[in-house]
Amino acid sequence: NAGVMQNPRHLVRRRGQEARLRCSPMKGHSHVYWYRQLPEEGLKFMVYLQKENIIDESGMPKERFSAEFPKEGPSILRIQQVVRGDSAAYFCASSPTSDPYTEAFFGQGTRLTVV
Amino acid sequence: AQSVTQLDSHVSVSEGTPVLLRCNYSSSYSPSLFWYVQHPNKGLQLLLKYTSAATLVKGINGFEAEFKKSETSFHLTKPSAHMSDAAEYFCVVNPVNTGGFKTIFGAGTRLFVKA
Repeated sequence: NAGVMQNPRHLVRRRGQEARLRCSPMKGHSHVYWYRQLPEEGLKFMVYLQKENIIDESGMPKERFSAEFPKEGPSILRIQQVVRGDSAAYFCASSPTSDPYTEAFFGQGTRLTVV
Repeated sequence: AQSVTQLDSHVSVSEGTPVLLRCNYSSSYSPSLFWYVQHPNKGLQLLLKYTSAATLVKGINGFEAEFKKSETSFHLTKPSAHMSDAAEYFCVVNPVNTGGFKTIFGAGTRLFVKA
């Protein structure tokens, strides 16, 4: 059973370009979470999705950021018109339920650098 | 509101000596608490979790944590540090009974292990 797969591992974008980050949850997991980690900081919650639904996007910036988890395929975090401040590590996690006492499993992250 | 505070940003120990990483939480409900470890440029790995079944929780790699409700603490310990324990450690609280899933991460404690 493969773990949570994120790709690419590293992504370099010029200011103004779009960044697409992909996350394939563990087999059997229908709950996906995205987090952002700035240098020397902890992870900050961005969005929680189930298949085809956004459950909680309260941690995601209102502009330029969007997320989806289609019926088929990976979850996508999309950042339009990237700026230098978007440079960070973006982690995806998945779990089989929304039970708060169940741990989430994390991918290795995508490190986005905006130049 | 729920929150988590890691009391030390850096901890340095000698190999073979005990490790103590401190975490205090704030929660109106019975909390859901976790410790994760992050090695450089890697994803997060679950060390242990508190599920209210027992106040002393044993995890992987010899780590354990004790839930103390009276002190609102969930400190992580290990009797004898190994060089491979050098990493960043995150104390995490999952919200309970709030209807959302804004997992809250502590700011992290970086553990250094000296030979």
